[in-house]
Amino acid sequence: DAGVTQSPTHLIKTRGQQVTLRCSPKSGHDTVSWYQQALGQGPQFIFQYYEEEERQRGNFPDRFSGHQFPNYSSELNVNALLLGDSALYLCASSLTGTGGFGANVLTFGAGSRLTVL
Amino acid sequence: AQSVTQLGSHVSVSEGALVLLRCNYSSSVPPYLFWYVQYPNQGLQLLLKYTSAATLVKGINGFEAEFKKSETSFHLTKPSAHMSDAAEYFCAVSGDDYKLSFGAGTTVTVRA
Repeated sequence: DAGVTQSPTHLIKTRGQQVTLRCSPKSGHDTVSWYQQALGQGPQFIFQYYEEEERQRGNFPDRFSGHQFPNYSSELNVNALLLGDSALYLCASSLTGTGGFGANVLTFGAGSRLTVL
Repeated sequence: AQSVTQLGSHVSVSEGALVLLRCNYSSSVPPYLFWYVQYPNQGLQLLLKYTSAATLVKGINGFEAEFKKSETSFHLTKPSAHMSDAAEYFCAVSGDDYKLSFGAGTTVTVRA
């Protein structure tokens, strides 16, 4: 059973460019969350998608946007890249409705490492 | 709002020795608490979770954690370290919303 798959695994962009990262959730999961992990830090919540809508958002600017498709896969878009956007971007999937808000266990992908020059 | 603080960014232990990683949480509602492990160039893997059932939680690879409400702690332990335990460990908390709030992580090195 495939887990969470992310693409691309690595990419290099320059300041001002735009990037799209992709995520396929674990089979049977319907919810996708995105996290940013800067070097030496813990992951920071960007947003979560459920039923093709953004359900909750962390403290990230509007340059960060996303989308969820009918097959539950998701994209993260970042516009006008800054040097500080360099990080590992982690996608996590879960199944909503099993145990309440916070009890849902997230399954993480291996991440997309973005370097902004 | 929920948050966690991991005490110690780096822990070094000898193979066969006790591993103790400290985590304190802050939450305005009964928390759900998690420990994840991250190996180099990989995503995060769940070690164990606390969801208000037993206060002593057993996880994978011989790890366990104890929820202590009076101390707002959720420390992770393993009685005997193995070389394969070398990794970064994250404590995380969630509550009445959908996000996980992670600590800054603790890097574990195991000496032969």
